[in-house]
Amino acid sequence: QKEVEQDPGPLSVPEGAIVSLNCTYSNSAFQYFMWYRQYSRKGPELLMYTYSSGNKEDGRFTAQVDKSSKYISLFIRDSQPSDSATYLCAFSYGGATNKLIFGTGTLLAVQP
Amino acid sequence: ETGVTQTPRHLVMGMTNKKSLKCEQHLGHNAMYWYKQSAKKPLELMFVYNFKEQTENNSVPSRFSPECPNSSHLFLHLHTLQPEDSALYLCASNRVDTGELFFGEGSRLTVL
Repeated sequence: QKEVEQDPGPLSVPEGAIVSLNCTYSNSAFQYFMWYRQYSRKGPELLMYTYSSGNKEDGRFTAQVDKSSKYISLFIRDSQPSDSATYLCAFSYGGATNKLIFGTGTLLAVQP
Repeated sequence: ETGVTQTPRHLVMGMTNKKSLKCEQHLGHNAMYWYKQSAKKPLELMFVYNFKEQTENNSVPSRFSPECPNSSHLFLHLHTLQPEDSALYLCASNRVDTGELFFGEGSRLTVL
């Protein structure tokens, strides 16, 4: 079983749609849960960061963590063409270990 | 403008060449990383340096040789590479005690 599973897409939605991106993981030692966004020809940039189960909201973005099911999600409301990018989930053990484990990334295209 | 700068952005080399990738961070961080990004695969951690000391070598072939002369600079020396080494090489940095990585825009390497 892979440590992290993420559907690579591509996912194509019309402008204004609600987007749901998901990752499952198998390692219960993960303590920190992140979403990175990567535009074409750019490096990844941190979008959302959380360390507990539940929801965290930032503008049009909501990160959801369910530790019992080992499942994290990123929701994008009122999606815009500028949201078109690859979204990577990432996991950390926390503490003195600063290693991140990434998913494959989901390519999202928001059509105007 | 990113706080992590990578050069060159694009590199084409033959299998017998020797070249180097350079990374510089202006964020005052004390940990630096090399990641490899290939199509449809998760980001692969290659090397980690904490306070200039290598703390992780993720079973990387010896044809990749990292160098970290100080906390702000990181190099990846390349020699006798294989075509399957063609990928985007990303440099990242952070403070040792935080999970958020700051990435550069990457060096796109093509091995002929």
